[in-house]
Amino acid sequence: SQQGEEDPQALSIQEGENATMNCSYKTSINNLQWYRQNSGRGLVHLILIRSNEREKHSGRLRVTLDTSKKSSSLLITASRAADTASYFCATAGAFGRGTSLIVHP
Amino acid sequence: ETGVTQTPRHLVMGMTNKKSLKCEQHLGHNAMYWYKQSAKKPLELMFVYSLEERVENNSVPSRFSPECPNSSHLFLHLHTLQPEDSALYLCASSQEAQGISYGYTFGSGTRLTVV
Repeated sequence: SQQGEEDPQALSIQEGENATMNCSYKTSINNLQWYRQNSGRGLVHLILIRSNEREKHSGRLRVTLDTSKKSSSLLITASRAADTASYFCATAGAFGRGTSLIVHP
Repeated sequence: ETGVTQTPRHLVMGMTNKKSLKCEQHLGHNAMYWYKQSAKKPLELMFVYSLEERVENNSVPSRFSPECPNSSHLFLHLHTLQPEDSALYLCASSQEAQGISYGYTFGSGTRLTVV
């Protein structure tokens, strides 16, 4: 299975701190995507990193990819209460259980 | 609004009922998907339609029956469901090139409760 697995399952931080979430997957990939989901809603695409890229930035988001370790990380800098959500990685349409992030004001 | 619209938003049905979930995308994508999201489980890919042909069916029970009449519309027909089928059903679309997707656009989901 291509399924990604996020780590940690839950993360609780204070506003202004950085949040780091990790993702591991099992087989070779063409690209890896990160998504965000607010409670009970659909997932929203955040960022895509291709297999030949090692790092990508989008606003306060920074994604890294290590294909030798089959892992990726999502860093959210200077977190805000509005960042509270679940975050998922996906490879070839397969998603993990997600990381539940709570940012306290 | 993401460009993928799902109806209804909420559905409560008895085990003997027949109902359908509807999904419509206005993005010109060529692939559509049904996912099931249950508490504390990974998102489960149920069905994939690419260019209106079903290309994946991940061992989904026959009480779930998909239909894709054209590239913009996707249905999930439900009959004789079980309480464990209660979940959030998410529709997504993407533009696939040679079988590879570069991003999925999801609808807001249908919260299904089977009583």
